[in-house]
Amino acid sequence: GAGVSQSPSNKVTEKGKDVELRCDPISGHTALYWYRQSLGQGLEFLIYFQGNSAPDKSGLPSDRFSAERTGGSVSTLTIQRTQQEDSAVYLCASGGREETQYFGPGTRLLVL
Amino acid sequence: QKEVEQNSGPLSVPEGAIASLNCTYSDRGSQSFFWYRQYSGKSPELIMFIYSNGDKEDGRFTAQLNKASQYVSLLIRDSQPSDSATYLCAVSNQAGTALIFGKGTTLSVSS
Repeated sequence: GAGVSQSPSNKVTEKGKDVELRCDPISGHTALYWYRQSLGQGLEFLIYFQGNSAPDKSGLPSDRFSAERTGGSVSTLTIQRTQQEDSAVYLCASGGREETQYFGPGTRLLVL
Repeated sequence: QKEVEQNSGPLSVPEGAIASLNCTYSDRGSQSFFWYRQYSGKSPELIMFIYSNGDKEDGRFTAQLNKASQYVSLLIRDSQPSDSATYLCAVSNQAGTALIFGKGTTLSVSS
Protein backbone atom coordinates (compact mmCIF):
# COMPACT_ATOMS: atom_id res chain seq x y z
CA GLY A 1 0.00 0.00 0.00
CA ALA A 2 0.95 3.64 -0.23
CA GLY A 3 3.28 5.01 2.38
CA VAL A 4 3.51 8.45 3.91
CA SER A 5 3.81 11.26 1.41
CA GLN A 6 5.08 14.78 2.03
CA SER A 7 5.18 17.88 -0.09
CA PRO A 8 7.05 19.77 -1.22
CA SER A 9 10.18 17.64 -1.19
CA ASN A 10 12.33 20.77 -1.16
CA LYS A 11 11.54 24.34 -0.23
CA VAL A 12 13.79 27.37 -0.43
CA THR A 13 12.44 30.53 1.13
CA GLU A 14 13.62 33.93 2.25
CA LYS A 15 13.92 34.86 5.89
CA GLY A 16 10.68 36.30 7.17
CA LYS A 17 8.39 34.47 4.76
CA ASP A 18 5.78 31.90 5.84
CA VAL A 19 5.92 28.30 4.67
CA GLU A 20 3.45 25.42 4.70
CA LEU A 21 4.52 21.79 4.71
CA ARG A 22 2.08 18.99 3.98
CA CYS A 23 1.85 15.40 5.15
CA ASP A 24 -0.48 12.69 3.88
CA PRO A 25 -0.30 9.69 6.26
CA ILE A 26 -0.90 6.03 5.61
CA SER A 27 -4.61 5.39 5.09
CA GLY A 28 -6.32 4.36 8.30
CA HIS A 29 -3.58 5.56 10.64
CA THR A 30 -5.05 7.83 13.28
CA ALA A 31 -1.75 8.94 14.82
CA LEU A 32 0.48 11.45 13.07
CA TYR A 33 3.73 13.02 14.21
CA TRP A 34 5.99 15.81 13.03
CA TYR A 35 9.75 15.81 13.67
CA ARG A 36 12.64 17.81 12.32
CA GLN A 37 16.24 16.82 11.72
CA SER A 38 18.92 19.46 11.54
CA LEU A 39 22.43 18.89 10.22
CA GLY A 40 24.41 17.16 12.91
CA GLN A 41 21.42 16.98 15.23
CA GLY A 42 19.17 14.12 16.13
CA LEU A 43 15.53 13.85 15.24
CA GLU A 44 13.55 16.34 17.30
CA PHE A 45 9.88 15.80 18.09
CA LEU A 46 7.55 18.68 17.26
CA ILE A 47 3.89 17.64 17.62
CA TYR A 48 1.61 14.60 17.89
CA PHE A 49 -1.91 14.25 16.50
CA GLN A 50 -4.48 11.66 17.43
CA GLY A 51 -7.27 12.13 14.92
CA ASN A 52 -7.73 15.86 14.49
CA SER A 53 -6.61 16.86 17.98
CA ALA A 54 -3.05 17.50 19.13
CA PRO A 55 -2.64 16.24 22.70
CA ASP A 56 1.12 16.85 22.65
CA LYS A 57 2.49 20.07 21.17
CA SER A 58 5.41 20.21 23.57
CA GLY A 59 8.08 20.04 20.87
CA LEU A 60 7.05 23.12 18.90
CA PRO A 61 10.04 25.45 19.33
CA SER A 62 8.18 28.76 19.23
CA ASP A 63 4.78 30.28 18.54
CA ARG A 64 5.88 30.77 14.93
CA PHE A 65 5.23 27.05 14.48
CA SER A 66 1.73 25.64 14.22
CA ALA A 67 0.11 22.55 12.79
CA GLU A 68 -3.33 21.32 12.02
CA ARG A 69 -4.94 18.15 10.83
CA THR A 70 -8.28 17.92 9.11
CA GLY A 71 -10.53 14.95 8.44
CA GLY A 72 -8.21 12.75 10.47
CA SER A 73 -5.88 12.58 7.51
CA VAL A 74 -3.77 15.30 5.92
CA SER A 75 -1.73 17.53 8.20
CA THR A 76 -0.12 20.89 7.53
CA LEU A 77 2.83 22.32 9.46
CA THR A 78 3.10 26.09 9.14
CA ILE A 79 6.16 28.14 10.02
CA GLN A 80 5.58 31.88 10.13
CA ARG A 81 8.29 34.50 9.71
CA THR A 82 10.93 31.88 8.96
CA GLN A 83 14.41 32.24 10.39
CA GLN A 84 17.66 30.71 9.19
CA GLU A 85 17.73 28.38 12.19
CA ASP A 86 14.49 26.84 10.89
CA SER A 87 16.47 25.24 8.06
CA ALA A 88 16.15 21.48 8.51
CA VAL A 89 14.49 18.38 7.14
CA TYR A 90 10.91 18.21 8.39
CA LEU A 91 9.70 14.65 8.73
CA CYS A 92 6.18 13.40 9.17
CA ALA A 93 5.47 9.98 10.66
CA SER A 94 2.31 7.93 10.50
CA GLY A 95 1.42 5.90 13.57
CA GLY A 96 0.73 2.20 13.21
CA ARG A 97 0.03 -0.48 15.80
CA GLU A 98 1.89 -0.60 19.09
CA GLU A 99 3.34 2.89 18.79
CA THR A 100 5.28 2.10 15.61
CA GLN A 101 5.98 5.15 13.47
CA TYR A 102 6.61 5.14 9.73
CA PHE A 103 8.33 8.15 8.25
CA GLY A 104 7.65 9.98 5.03
CA PRO A 105 10.45 11.17 2.73
CA GLY A 106 10.63 14.57 4.40
CA THR A 107 10.65 18.18 3.27
CA ARG A 108 14.06 19.80 3.07
CA LEU A 109 13.63 23.45 4.08
CA LEU A 110 16.30 26.05 3.42
CA VAL A 111 15.82 29.56 4.73
CA LEU A 112 18.09 32.10 3.07
CA GLN B 1 15.91 16.18 30.07
CA LYS B 2 15.16 12.72 28.77
CA GLU B 3 18.08 11.38 26.75
CA VAL B 4 19.02 8.54 24.47
CA GLU B 5 22.73 7.94 24.04
CA GLN B 6 24.53 6.13 21.26
CA ASN B 7 28.15 5.95 20.20
CA SER B 8 28.44 8.00 17.03
CA GLY B 9 30.92 5.60 15.46
CA PRO B 10 31.87 4.93 12.85
CA LEU B 11 31.60 1.25 13.59
CA SER B 12 33.49 -0.68 10.93
CA VAL B 13 32.99 -4.40 10.41
CA PRO B 14 33.97 -6.75 7.57
CA GLU B 15 31.34 -8.37 5.42
CA GLY B 16 29.87 -11.44 7.09
CA ALA B 17 30.70 -10.32 10.64
CA ILE B 18 28.28 -9.45 13.42
CA ALA B 19 27.68 -5.75 14.03
CA SER B 20 26.67 -4.76 17.55
CA LEU B 21 24.99 -1.40 18.14
CA ASN B 22 24.23 -0.12 21.62
CA CYS B 23 21.96 2.45 23.17
CA THR B 24 21.20 3.67 26.69
CA TYR B 25 18.24 5.75 27.80
CA SER B 26 17.47 7.84 30.85
CA ASP B 27 13.69 7.63 31.27
CA ARG B 28 12.72 4.57 33.33
CA GLY B 29 9.10 5.12 32.32
CA SER B 30 9.77 4.35 28.66
CA GLN B 31 7.89 1.28 27.46
CA SER B 32 8.66 0.97 23.75
CA PHE B 33 11.97 0.80 21.96
CA PHE B 34 12.77 1.08 18.28
CA TRP B 35 15.66 0.80 15.86
CA TYR B 36 15.62 2.80 12.63
CA ARG B 37 18.05 2.66 9.73
CA GLN B 38 18.79 5.86 7.84
CA TYR B 39 20.71 5.96 4.58
CA SER B 40 22.40 9.22 3.68
CA GLY B 41 19.87 11.70 2.32
CA LYS B 42 16.92 9.45 3.10
CA SER B 43 14.35 9.30 5.88
CA PRO B 44 14.51 6.79 8.76
CA GLU B 45 13.19 3.30 8.11
CA LEU B 46 11.81 1.19 10.98
CA ILE B 47 13.66 -2.12 11.23
CA MET B 48 12.93 -3.45 14.74
CA PHE B 49 10.81 -2.73 17.78
CA ILE B 50 10.84 -4.37 21.20
CA TYR B 51 8.73 -3.91 24.32
CA SER B 52 9.74 -6.72 26.69
CA ASN B 53 13.02 -7.62 28.32
CA GLY B 54 15.02 -10.17 26.38
CA ASP B 55 15.72 -10.80 22.74
CA LYS B 56 13.61 -10.38 19.64
CA GLU B 57 14.81 -11.79 16.34
CA ASP B 58 13.76 -10.88 12.81
CA GLY B 59 15.88 -12.34 10.04
CA ARG B 60 19.46 -11.14 10.44
CA PHE B 61 18.46 -8.62 13.12
CA THR B 62 18.18 -9.22 16.86
CA ALA B 63 17.06 -6.53 19.27
CA GLN B 64 17.90 -6.91 22.95
CA LEU B 65 16.30 -5.01 25.81
CA ASN B 66 17.32 -4.76 29.46
CA LYS B 67 15.03 -2.34 31.27
CA ALA B 68 16.86 -2.69 34.60
CA SER B 69 20.06 -1.47 32.95
CA GLN B 70 18.17 0.93 30.63
CA TYR B 71 19.98 -0.60 27.70
CA VAL B 72 18.91 -1.56 24.19
CA SER B 73 21.05 -3.17 21.52
CA LEU B 74 20.81 -4.27 17.93
CA LEU B 75 22.80 -7.15 16.49
CA ILE B 76 23.16 -7.54 12.75
CA ARG B 77 24.37 -10.99 11.72
CA ASP B 78 26.13 -11.71 8.42
CA SER B 79 26.62 -7.98 7.82
CA GLN B 80 26.42 -6.85 4.21
CA PRO B 81 27.77 -3.70 2.53
CA SER B 82 24.13 -2.70 2.02
CA ASP B 83 23.79 -2.50 5.82
CA SER B 84 26.12 0.50 5.80
CA ALA B 85 23.97 3.31 7.18
CA THR B 86 23.27 5.29 10.33
CA TYR B 87 21.26 3.36 12.93
CA LEU B 88 19.00 5.39 15.19
CA CYS B 89 17.80 4.16 18.56
CA ALA B 90 14.43 5.60 19.61
CA VAL B 91 12.59 5.34 22.90
CA SER B 92 8.99 6.31 23.59
CA ASN B 93 8.24 8.97 26.16
CA GLN B 94 6.16 7.96 29.17
CA ALA B 95 2.95 9.25 27.64
CA GLY B 96 3.55 7.35 24.43
CA THR B 97 3.10 10.53 22.39
CA ALA B 98 6.59 10.91 20.98
CA LEU B 99 9.84 9.11 20.26
CA ILE B 100 13.09 10.37 21.69
CA PHE B 101 15.93 9.64 19.29
CA GLY B 102 19.61 9.13 19.81
CA LYS B 103 21.96 10.83 17.37
CA GLY B 104 22.73 7.55 15.69
CA THR B 105 25.65 5.21 15.10
CA THR B 106 27.22 5.09 11.66
CA LEU B 107 27.93 1.53 10.50
CA SER B 108 30.33 0.77 7.68
CA VAL B 109 30.50 -2.78 6.31
CA SER B 110 33.47 -3.42 4.08
CA SER B 111 33.48 -6.08 1.35
